[in-house]
Amino acid sequence: GAVVSQHPSRVICKSGTSVKIECRSLDFQATTMFWYRQFPKKSLMLMATSNEGSKATYEQGVEKDKFLINHASLTLSTLTVTSAHPEDSSFYICSARGLNQETQYFGPGTRLLVL
Amino acid sequence: DAKTTQPTSMDCAEGRAANLPCNHSTISGNEYVYWYRQIHSQGPQYIIHGLKNNETNEMASLIITEDRKSSTLILPHATLRDTAVYYCIVRVGRDDKIIFGKGTRLHILP
Repeated sequence: GAVVSQHPSRVICKSGTSVKIECRSLDFQATTMFWYRQFPKKSLMLMATSNEGSKATYEQGVEKDKFLINHASLTLSTLTVTSAHPEDSSFYICSARGLNQETQYFGPGTRLLVL
Repeated sequence: DAKTTQPTSMDCAEGRAANLPCNHSTISGNEYVYWYRQIHSQGPQYIIHGLKNNETNEMASLIITEDRKSSTLILPHATLRDTAVYYCIVRVGRDDKIIFGKGTRLHILP
């Protein structure tokens, strides 16, 4: 199957700082990328959908000014958690889908810990 | 809201077939049934999907009832590496969002 990578795999930051997470499609062009968040022992929750070159569409309850999403190329999307707080600590997972692909392929996830 | 109902957890002996049920009684005619799994601390992995016919690939088989209100994912020869949370999802197709429910936690017992 297609490969999606995320960087970093885990990050620790201080409260009030911003953190950027990268999501890359390694062997296909991702016209659409998705960002999910997963708290311990919970299911994945869709945060936003982004199409290359367009503004992201955020799910209800997700603050677009806090979770900045950029999808400037067909192989890269970034999620920036601005002014992070301990409650933002979570497992962030991206997925990507190409123009002619039937399904989405998920990245390995990024574990964020805000102290 | 997730449109599916799955058991919270299941056990299966290693080497045996694991049969994971899913109820989707409100499924629409144009909605597919998708299965993903998530191994601990990893991203979800696509397994299989189908509309109304049974499907098989190298990972699993998907059996969908004639009325399409339920389905069963079959892992023919479960191994310890199949221990994961399995999610059954209904969606219109590739352009529809993937909304994850609580899934079934499958334990493969040695």
